[in-house]
Amino acid sequence: TQLLEQSPQFLSIQEGENLTVYCNSSSVFSSLQWYRQEPGEGPVLLVTVVTGGEVKKLKRLTFQFGDARKDSSLHITAAQPGDTGLYLCAGGGAGKSTFGDGTTLTVKP
Amino acid sequence: EAGVAQSPRYKIIEKRQSVAFWCNPISGHATLYWYQQILGQGPKLLIQFQNNGVVDDSQLPKDRFSAERLKGVDSTLKIQPAKLEDSAVYLCASSLVTGAETQYFGPGTRLLVL
Repeated sequence: TQLLEQSPQFLSIQEGENLTVYCNSSSVFSSLQWYRQEPGEGPVLLVTVVTGGEVKKLKRLTFQFGDARKDSSLHITAAQPGDTGLYLCAGGGAGKSTFGDGTTLTVKP
Repeated sequence: EAGVAQSPRYKIIEKRQSVAFWCNPISGHATLYWYQQILGQGPKLLIQFQNNGVVDDSQLPKDRFSAERLKGVDSTLKIQPAKLEDSAVYLCASSLVTGAETQYFGPGTRLLVL
């Protein structure tokens, strides 16, 4: 079974601060997805990374896939209250996805 | 484009009762997934369908859970009898094909077993 460990589990910061959350595994994934889930809703895809070392930017969010395709990070610059939510990573391969337990981010105004 | 629809949104039952959830995936999506998300955890795959065939049900507790996807479109997930530990959000997702990187999730059904 492929496991994904996300850290930290909880993060509470002030508006305007920067943060990084991590997704680590001992397994190699052919692709890795980051989702954001808001209370009462299903996860929504933010980005997919497929190449080792790949960096993708989505406005204030920067996603990086590790060279060995076993880990990933999500960096948010100048966090805003609207960034509050559960950030989930999911590793893909052989037609399946395995989810981590997520990082719950709270951005206080 | 309409998203993944799920109903009901909330359900409260007593243990040992039965319950069923319904999912309508995005039109044209061949693959349908049912996940269980316990509070504080990420989604755990219960069953994956490709059209109306089962691709993976290795984590489905088959003594009490069942799922079907007749005609390869809508799907139902049933729990009978329910246990307290079944309290969770049940998420349905769909993707264009198996192995597609993007899964589109419905809003989920919140189940509370008393």
